[in-house]
Amino acid sequence: KAGVTQTPRYLIKTRGQQVTLSCSPISGHRSVSWYQQTPGQGLQFLFEYFSETQRNKGNFPGRFSGRQFSNSRSEMNVSTLELGDSALYLCASSLAGTENNSPLHFGNGTRLTVT
Amino acid sequence: AQTVTQSQPEMSVQEAETVTLSCTYDTSENNYYLFWYKQPPSRQMILVIRQEAYKQQNATENRFSVNFQKAAKSFSLKISDSQLGDTAMYFCAFVLIQGAQKLVFGQGTRLTINP
Repeated sequence: KAGVTQTPRYLIKTRGQQVTLSCSPISGHRSVSWYQQTPGQGLQFLFEYFSETQRNKGNFPGRFSGRQFSNSRSEMNVSTLELGDSALYLCASSLAGTENNSPLHFGNGTRLTVT
Repeated sequence: AQTVTQSQPEMSVQEAETVTLSCTYDTSENNYYLFWYKQPPSRQMILVIRQEAYKQQNATENRFSVNFQKAAKSFSLKISDSQLGDTAMYFCAFVLIQGAQKLVFGQGTRLTINP
């Protein structure tokens, strides 16, 4: 079974631009979560989608948004990029429904550099 | 709010030795899961081991085992017969059984296995 696939692996953008990251979950997984990883702040939860609905959102500004499609694939968008948005963005999928009894499976991440 | 603390930023041991990574957490909830994830240089977060808080028995996966002390809110990871391939960042993480599918991560411990 294929794992979680994130594209692209690397991105370089300039301040003020916007970016879209893509995540394809493991087949059958309906929950997709996004995390931001930086050396200073560590791993922080961005949001989680389940059956095309955002179930939870972390403490990030409205410039960070996402969506999930009917095939469970998810995209994350960051508008008006700032230098501080440079990070590794990790996507994770799970079978989790109403209970979080299924572990998260992570992709290899997208390394975003904002210059 | 839940927090996870890993007090050892870096550790280094010789191959074949046993090493223990520390993790403490804080929560007022009673039903949750705890995890150890490994992140090698490839960047992918890999699940090492999972512990259900309602289980008294400590989880074990081959060379990896945990010491779960619920009253003390402590969740350490022991790696026996360490191998060069165990070199990675290790993250302790927490999630509630009910509610947001949102992992709270510690800051990580960089573990180096020396030949």
